[in-house]
Amino acid sequence: GAVVSQHPSWVICKSGTSVKIECRSLDFQATTMFWYRQFPKQSLMLMATSNEGSKATYEQGVEKDKFLINHASLTLSTLTVTSAHPEDSSFYICSARPGQGPYEQYFGPGTRLTVT
Amino acid sequence: GDSVVQTEGQVLPSEGDSLIVNCSYETTQYPSLFWYVQYPGEGPQLHLKAMKANDKGRNKGFEAMYRKETTSFHLEKDSVQESDSAVYFCALSAPFSGGYQKVTFGIGTKLQVIP
Repeated sequence: GAVVSQHPSWVICKSGTSVKIECRSLDFQATTMFWYRQFPKQSLMLMATSNEGSKATYEQGVEKDKFLINHASLTLSTLTVTSAHPEDSSFYICSARPGQGPYEQYFGPGTRLTVT
Repeated sequence: GDSVVQTEGQVLPSEGDSLIVNCSYETTQYPSLFWYVQYPGEGPQLHLKAMKANDKGRNKGFEAMYRKETTSFHLEKDSVQESDSAVYFCALSAPFSGGYQKVTFGIGTKLQVIP
C-alpha cells in the first residue's frame, strides 16, 4: 500500500515551453501533497505544500507564477513549470501524506526534467 | 526554524562492519523522526520511524532510537551489506502554522559498502 506515482518519469523540453508533471496517490487519499526539487548529490528542497481544494503554500524563494501547483482532488496534484529555462533542469519529486498529523510521507519515483 | 544535521558526505564501511550515521535535530515542537533511503534515480522511501521519545525504529537490521534528551536519532546497524548502499536522509516532522505538519530533511549521507 501507500504507492505514489509520477508521470512522466523523464521529460526533455525546449527553453520557453511549459511542462506539466502529475503526481498521483494510487491507494490512499492524500490530504496533503508536497513538491520537492533535488539537485545532484544534494538534499530535497521543499518547493511547496498543497492541500486538496486550496491554494498551495510556496516556500520562500520559489516563484509561484513559474511553478504552478494544482491539487484538484485527493489523489492528484500537478506541477507545471512555465516558460522553462535550462536552470529549471532538475529532479522533481512529489510526496503525499494521508492526513494532517505526523504521518510519514510517501514519495513518488521522481521526474527528471531537462530543458535544452 | 527547524533543522536536521546528519553525517555529511560519504561513509565507506566494508561489508560486515558496524555502522553509525549521526543525526541531530533542533525544533521547538515535539517532532516525529524518520530515516528515508534513496536509491539512484528513484524517490526516497521510508526506512524507519519513531513517533515519540524512547521509541526505536527498526527495519532490515537498522535501528534508530528517538533520544529527546540529546535530540538525536542516530542510524545504526551491526553488520552492513553491499545491498545497503544508498543515500540516507534523516528527517523530522513537526507542527506548523495552520495545524499542518512540516517535514525538514537533513542533507543526506551516502553509504557505500565495500564488498
